[in-house]
Amino acid sequence: EPEVTQTPSHQVTQMGQEVILRCVPISNHLYFYWYRQILGQKVEFLVSFYNNEISEKSEIFDDQFSVERPDGSNFTLKIRSTKLEDSAMYFCASRTPGLAGGPSYEQYFGPGTRLTVT
Amino acid sequence: GNSVTQMEGPVTLSEEAFLTINCTYTATGYPSLFWYVQYPGEGLQLLLKATKADDKGSNKGFEATYRKETTSFHLEKGSVQVSDSAVYFCALRLGAQKLVFGQGTRLTINP
Repeated sequence: EPEVTQTPSHQVTQMGQEVILRCVPISNHLYFYWYRQILGQKVEFLVSFYNNEISEKSEIFDDQFSVERPDGSNFTLKIRSTKLEDSAMYFCASRTPGLAGGPSYEQYFGPGTRLTVT
Repeated sequence: GNSVTQMEGPVTLSEEAFLTINCTYTATGYPSLFWYVQYPGEGLQLLLKATKADDKGSNKGFEATYRKETTSFHLEKGSVQVSDSAVYFCALRLGAQKLVFGQGTRLTINP
């Protein structure tokens, strides 16, 4: 069964450093998402991406964050200058385009990357 | 705004016990409602969903009914197993938009 994969599973970085989190969505999916979960808190939406551009972003997704689909398979989240409060589990998700309410609106999630900023 | 509130965890039960995890929501429109499960070391997996009032979602012995009058979507299972130990997330989605999650409830089932 196809699945979303994410690398690395755990990333440790120093404050102020740039990090790139990588995701390989399911191959025929066209909508991509990043969510994050700070330890003990809610899973929060960061950004959605379609047709090579951001379709929606949250207040969290400020100028320090960027997303890119550099090739036909990868979807990346870059944090330009990490802060301690960026420490969290980051989840990538993808879905196909589909009819509203239909099963193909389901988002499929990867296992997450745990980012630790020291 | 749109939000989801889940009962706080952790929840610890014995095998074969009855499970309820409460979930209530606030939404500006008519959301679809979901339960996701995260097993240790894995990603979020869709457990069940309901797209309109009075719908019942079910999967793997778990059930949840979309109650518009009480804005709730409580997760239930009649007899839990050790393998059900995981973190459970309630979520809503309006149309094709982003998912809005609750804070998650960690469930541990003891043999």
